[in-house]
Amino acid sequence: GESVGLHLPTLSVQEGDNSIINCAYSNSASDYFIWYKQESGKGPQFIIDIRSNMDKRQGQRVTVLLNKTVKHLSLQIAATQPGDSAVYFCAENSYSGAGSYQLTFGKGTKLSVIP
Amino acid sequence: DAMVIQNPRYQVTQFGKPVTLSCSQTLNHNVMYWYQQKSSQAPKLLFHYYDKDFNNEADTPDNFQSRRPNTSFCFLDIRSPGLGDAAMYLCATSKIAGGNTEAFFGQGTRLTVV
Repeated sequence: GESVGLHLPTLSVQEGDNSIINCAYSNSASDYFIWYKQESGKGPQFIIDIRSNMDKRQGQRVTVLLNKTVKHLSLQIAATQPGDSAVYFCAENSYSGAGSYQLTFGKGTKLSVIP
Repeated sequence: DAMVIQNPRYQVTQFGKPVTLSCSQTLNHNVMYWYQQKSSQAPKLLFHYYDKDFNNEADTPDNFQSRRPNTSFCFLDIRSPGLGDAAMYLCATSKIAGGNTEAFFGQGTRLTVV
C-alpha cells in the first residue's frame, strides 16, 4: 500500500550545526505534506508544511524541500539548538475516498542535539 | 490556551474494563481524528469524523469505537482493553477534510492497562 517513510531513525548533531531529516513518500497523488515535532510525552506540534506546487518553503530556522521527481521530502534545521531535540515526523495528506482525507505519518526520526 | 484538549492525560484501566477517553476542541473544526501511538512508533489513524460522518480505518479493531455528540467533543471508547492497547492516544482536528490543512493535536492520553 501507499506509505510515507523515513531514511534515518536517529540523528545526532552538535549544537549550532545544521540538521537534515529526510523522508520518502510513495503516494504520487499526495499534494500536501507536513513536518511535525514531537517531544517526549506530548502531542505532535506543527513545524512547517508544503504544497506539491512548491519545491521549497522556509520558516524560522527551518526549511522544507520537496522533490516530486523522486518523492522525497527533507527538513533542514539551521543552527540546531538543544530545544530541537525531539522526534520529527513527516506526514502526508492523502485522499481516502468519499470526500475524506487522512493524514499518514512516516516512522519518525529522533534528533539528539549534543551540547 | 489549549485548542485541542484531551482528558485525562494519564489513564490506568483494568484488563477488559471499558474505558473512555475524551477530546474537546475550541477551534470549531469540521474534522476530528483519533490516533494510536505506541512507543517509538508513528501515530496510526484509528478513525475520524467529518462533521457527523464517521470514517473507520479498515484495520481498526472492533474493540475501538467513537462518538461525536457535537462539534466540540469526540470520545474514544475501548470496549475491552487488552494489554496490547496500552499506548498514547492522540486526538487531532482540522478545519476541512480535504486538501491543504494542517491537523492540530492535543497532548494525548497515555493509557496503561493492568
